[in-house]
Amino acid sequence: EVQLVESGGGLVQPGGSLRVSCEASGFTFSTYAMNWVRQAPGKGLEWVSYISSSSSTMYYAASVKGRFTISRDNAKNSLSLQMNSLRDEDTAVYYCVRVTHGSRFDTWGQGTLVTVSS
Amino acid sequence: QSLLTQPPSASGTPGQRVTISCSGSRFDIGTNTVNWYQQLPGTAPKLLIYSNNQRPSGVPDRFSGSKSGTSASLAISGLQSDDEADYYCATWDDSLNGWVFGGGTKLTVL
Repeated sequence: EVQLVESGGGLVQPGGSLRVSCEASGFTFSTYAMNWVRQAPGKGLEWVSYISSSSSTMYYAASVKGRFTISRDNAKNSLSLQMNSLRDEDTAVYYCVRVTHGSRFDTWGQGTLVTVSS
Repeated sequence: QSLLTQPPSASGTPGQRVTISCSGSRFDIGTNTVNWYQQLPGTAPKLLIYSNNQRPSGVPDRFSGSKSGTSASLAISGLQSDDEADYYCATWDDSLNGWVFGGGTKLTVL
């Protein structure tokens, strides 16, 4: 079964840092691009960041560029998002998402909640 | 970050057909294919329609998608109570070098 399991969410103060991770199973992780997508409480979906299968290409939403860093370890079937200089508006559920055929977000994890608050 | 434009809500009675629109620009929908996602209450989103009008395996043919110019639409026929969910359109934006989502449409089955 194709599965994505996020971890690492929690409460962090404004200006702080947090690293969320995603463990993939049930497919050949190294052949798929991956994304992070977030959803603030009661709000819609917002794409955050993309990484290609080989880590050669990364993209970021303007709202997180310069503060967030996406990375992956194909040997460990894992995806990470390092979040620095966190702001109140970064509070959201962060979803790990598999990308197929260039643009289809075909598999989503259950999400991990990040709360930025003093 | 630009959003694609969707109506915030839609509704219909069981058995009816409803459509949800998604409006963009020449940089996003006008140039790239559109995908639709369904998010049932309390769950993660699920891919519903890809490449404008294709259904993943397991998605009933009651769901259909279309695209024309800088707009796209999702149609749901034979509405059922468990279709109550939030629906999002999404596509790649050439000007932003990233994906953009619509604001989401909450579908209520009356």
